[in-house]
Amino acid sequence: SQKIEQNSEALNIQEGKTATLTCNYTNYSPAYLQWYRQDPGRGPVFLLLIRENEKEKRKERLKVTFDTTLKQSLFHITASQPADSATYLCALPNTDKLIFGTGTRLQVFP
Amino acid sequence: DVKVTQSSRYLVKRTGEKVFLECVQDMDHENMFWYRQDPGLGLRLIYFSYDVKMKEKGDIPEGYSVSREKKERFSLILESASTNQTSMYLCASTYSDRTYEQYFGPGTRLTVT
Repeated sequence: SQKIEQNSEALNIQEGKTATLTCNYTNYSPAYLQWYRQDPGRGPVFLLLIRENEKEKRKERLKVTFDTTLKQSLFHITASQPADSATYLCALPNTDKLIFGTGTRLQVFP
Repeated sequence: DVKVTQSSRYLVKRTGEKVFLECVQDMDHENMFWYRQDPGLGLRLIYFSYDVKMKEKGDIPEGYSVSREKKERFSLILESASTNQTSMYLCASTYSDRTYEQYFGPGTRLTVT
C-alpha cells in the first residue's frame, strides 16, 4: 500500500543553521508533492509545491528537492529562526485526494 | 484575504449526542474536505465534496456524514458521538484543479465525554 514517512522525532537546531526535513514515500509515483507548515492548535498552511519534472524549488529561505528515483523529498530552511519552529507536513496526491505525512516537528533554539 | 472558517474552536459533547461541525469558505472553491488529526496518525480524510450536493467517502467515513447544500458551506455530522471521535477536526478547500494547495480552517477540537 502507499505510504509516506516523515521523521517522527523532533528536529532541534540552533538559530542560523540550515534545517533539513525528509519525506520518503513508497508505492507512489506522484506527479507533484506539497509541503505545509502547521503551528500548534492551528490548521496547516501551504508552503511549496514541486512537480515531478522539477528537481528543486526555492521560495525565500525555503528550498525543496524532489528525487523520484529515491522516492524522496527534502525540505530545507536556511538561516533558520525561532519563528520557523513548527511542524512541517509533506503531502502527495492519490487519485482525487491528498495524502499527508504525519509531520516532523522543528524546534529552532536561539 | 482568503478565509476558511469553522463554527467552533472548542466543543465538548456527551456520548450519543448528534454533533454538527460547520465550515465556510469565501474563495468560491469547488472542492471541500473534512479531516481529523490525531497524534501519531496525522491528517486522515473523512469525507470530501467536489460540488454542491456531491460527496465522496474518504479513508475513515464510519460514524460520520456530510452535507453540502451551498458551494461555500460543508458540514460534518457525527450521528451519535462516541469517545473515539475525540479529535481535532480540520476543514479545507481548494480549486477544482487538484494540484492547487488546500486552504485549511483553524480547526475544531472536539471532546466527547
